[in-house]
Amino acid sequence: QQQVKQSPQSLIVQKGGISIINCAYENTAFDYFPWYQQFPGKGPALLIAIRPDVSEKKEGRFTISFNKSAKQFSLHIMDSQPGDSATYFCAAQPSGNTPLVFGKGTRLSVIA
Amino acid sequence: GAVVSQHPSWVICKSGTSVKIECRSLDFQATTMFWYRQFPKQSLMLMATSNEGSKATYEQGVEKDKFLINHASLTLSTLTVTSAHPEDSSFYICSAPSTGNTIYFGEGSWLTVV
Repeated sequence: QQQVKQSPQSLIVQKGGISIINCAYENTAFDYFPWYQQFPGKGPALLIAIRPDVSEKKEGRFTISFNKSAKQFSLHIMDSQPGDSATYFCAAQPSGNTPLVFGKGTRLSVIA
Repeated sequence: GAVVSQHPSWVICKSGTSVKIECRSLDFQATTMFWYRQFPKQSLMLMATSNEGSKATYEQGVEKDKFLINHASLTLSTLTVTSAHPEDSSFYICSAPSTGNTIYFGEGSWLTVV
């Protein structure tokens, strides 16, 4: 049973374009939604995170949009660069000291 | 952000031997740490939750006698793969929650069993 569904599985975007990755969840107990960026052979690095009390959070070129009623959240990468090429994972966590539930990941390739 | 350090980054061991992987929180204390396993081009699979001063909680299907977890202090958790076999070859990653429950990951440890 996959608690966090992520799409697309892979994404190719031209340099300067907008990359959009979507995630959906079922468990209404989730109240923390981070995105991680992972380069090959490296551990995941926290990119940006949001809690359900806001609908959008922006950090530089990265924006999370959150729709609580639809139980969906998405990552937008503006002005995508080749250096952004990586695998991106959305995740969710209930309150407290519990492990993250991950989506299956999206492999992003930004081409010049 | 907070730093979680893993050691070694990669290790090769012979089949039948044991290997220990360390996970340290460098600038915060972590009563809980999480251990994951990741296969190529797949997502992270939670293996166990490491609890300081008590037994680890293992996910269903993970052999606790094979993957020994010890959380001896507030900054160190170790994963020991016992009697390693080639099928245990994988990328092992730890994580720990910092202030406000923000979870940070280590750089991962590549294990190759030959």
